[in-house]
This record gives sequence, structure tokens and C-alpha cells, in this order.
Amino acid sequence: AQSVTQLGSHVSVSEGALVLLRCNYSSSVPPYLFWYVQYPNQGLQLLLKYTTGATLVKGINGFEAEFNKSQTSFHLRKPSVHISDTAEYFCAVSGGSYIPTFGRGTSLIVHP
Amino acid sequence: DSGVTQTPKHLITATGQRVTLRCSPRSGDLSVYWYQQSLDQGLQFLIQYYNGEERAKGNILERFSAQQFPDLHSELNLSSLELGDSALYFCASSDPGGMTSNTGELFFGEGSRLTVL
Repeated sequence: AQSVTQLGSHVSVSEGALVLLRCNYSSSVPPYLFWYVQYPNQGLQLLLKYTTGATLVKGINGFEAEFNKSQTSFHLRKPSVHISDTAEYFCAVSGGSYIPTFGRGTSLIVHP
Repeated sequence: DSGVTQTPKHLITATGQRVTLRCSPRSGDLSVYWYQQSLDQGLQFLIQYYNGEERAKGNILERFSAQQFPDLHSELNLSSLELGDSALYFCASSDPGGMTSNTGELFFGEGSRLTVL
């Protein structure tokens, strides 16, 4: 069984600020972990993924995430956000079935 | 552009009716997944097909069915529609490496927004 918990359904920050979106997972097998972004009226697109190897993963648009096995976390961060980063962010985990389970999402609003 | 095409983008219908949503996966992708996104349930996995055969089932109602055709496009059929079926339905496909090399990374279409009145 696998599950994802995203802490904080809404996050609001100022442009240029550091943002941290939290994700904790549960998986009975070594997980593959993903962050997806959904802009308004669009489908989900992959930001970054962790499969094996280095625990710090860099993705598109300056985002990065760190896999922490002991804390079962995969938090997403960006050092300096832009207004265009306003979107819904989903953390997902897949295990032996390769079918990802998604968190409820975190709505990020970046204001001027 | 993910390469996954879904039609129609918007659909409004009445309770009790039946609709069909269509999905064309990325070129070469053998797996198709259907997800339902609603405000109260989040993103829920419905069903997966791999090269024409049903591979996995999630929280799919008995009133819903799907199939994948020889050309790998897929259709999701929703019948006896209820108000609660109003949602965004996503199709996704995965890389052509097959199940042994798949990590669960999916490529999503833009979704079909269903409104049941």
C-alpha cells in the first residue's frame, strides 16, 4: 500500500521568497517519488522525480526536492519564486505497481 | 504539450445520461491511465490499460467502463450519470519501456471537464 500526505493545502508567499511545499509518503517498497505542477485549466506536468541515487533532485523552473528516507519525506522547494509559479502542486508516490498515488495538492499563490 | 490528447475538453449533460471520453496517448506509449479529479476526492486513479488489456483497477464505479483499442487510443464510458460524477477526467500515458522499466512517471492530457446537471 502507498499513500501521500501534503501538509498545507494553501501556501501564499511574496515574489522572490523561498517556498517549501511539504510531502510525506508511505510505501511498503522502495518508492519512486514525483512532484507535478498543474497550471489553471491545464493537465499535470512533471516537475521532478526521484528514482534512485542522489537524494537531492533538481527539476524544471528552478525547483528541487530532497528525498529523506528516515523521515519518509520528499519536500519541494524553490529559493526565489516568481508570480508565474502560481499553480497547484501535487506530490506522488509509486511503488511495485508503478501506478502513482497522488496527494491532495497544495495551491501555491505568489503575490507581488 | 505532453503529446496526450483528450476530447472533448468540456461536456455538459443531464443526470441519467451516458457519455464517452476519448484519449490518444503519446506516440509509442502502451499504457493508458484514467484519473478523476474532484474537489472533495482529489486525484483518484480509476483504471489502467496496457497494450489493449486491463492492467489495474482503482476506485472505478460499476457505472463506468473503459477500453483500449488496437491503435492504443482509449475510451472511458460513464453511464447513469449522477451529479457527483461532475469532475475533471484525466488520461495519462507512460513511456514505451514496458512495465519492467516503468517508474510511474506519467504524461497527462489536459483533461475533460464533465458537468452533470
